[in-house]
Amino acid sequence: EVQLVESGGGLVQPGGSLRLSCAVSGFTFSTYWMHWVRQVPGKGLVWVSRINGDGSSTSYADSVKGRFTISRDNAKNTLYLQMNSLRAEDTAVYYCARGGSSGYSFGFYWGQGTLVTVSS
Amino acid sequence: QSALTQPASVSGSPGQSITISCTGTSSDVGGYNYVSWYQQHPGKAPKLMIYDVSNRPSGVSNRFSGSKSGNMASLTISGLQAEDEADYYCSSYTSNTTLLFGGGTKLTVL
Repeated sequence: EVQLVESGGGLVQPGGSLRLSCAVSGFTFSTYWMHWVRQVPGKGLVWVSRINGDGSSTSYADSVKGRFTISRDNAKNTLYLQMNSLRAEDTAVYYCARGGSSGYSFGFYWGQGTLVTVSS
Repeated sequence: QSALTQPASVSGSPGQSITISCTGTSSDVGGYNYVSWYQQHPGKAPKLMIYDVSNRPSGVSNRFSGSKSGNMASLTISGLQAEDEADYYCSSYTSNTTLLFGGGTKLTVL
């Protein structure tokens, strides 16, 4: 059974940092692109970032570029999102999602999400 | 980059067919056959319904189909059922090597 489990969310002050994790099981992690998507409660989905199987290629939405860093540890079957210089507008539920073997489509599997709240 | 354009809401009666549109540009929807559609019920994670314009993942009902013409992609749901009531989002790969979502469409089954 495929499982993606996010953790690391919580309350952080503006300007602070947080690292999200996504532990996966049930598939060969290193084979697939992985993505982060966020959603303000009651609002739409927003794509955040993606990383290829060996971690050598990444992409970011303009809204997080330079502040967020996506990475992965294939030995630990875990995806990460390091979030720095956090702003109120980064408040959202963050989902990790599995892509395909290419980087073009994603969402074949999703985690349950972890809530990040940026507030003083 | 602006979100892809979807209608805010659509509705239909059980058994009917509905179509949700997703309009982009030649830099995203029109330029690549990498449009996906997701279904999201309240409080739940999204679920992939269509990928690469018209492919259904294993387990998704064949009542769901996707297509694309130019800069517009479409999701059609036939034989509408009460359980189809949900929010639907499209996404596309873009020329910036990023992914882009639509604003979402709320489907109401009357």
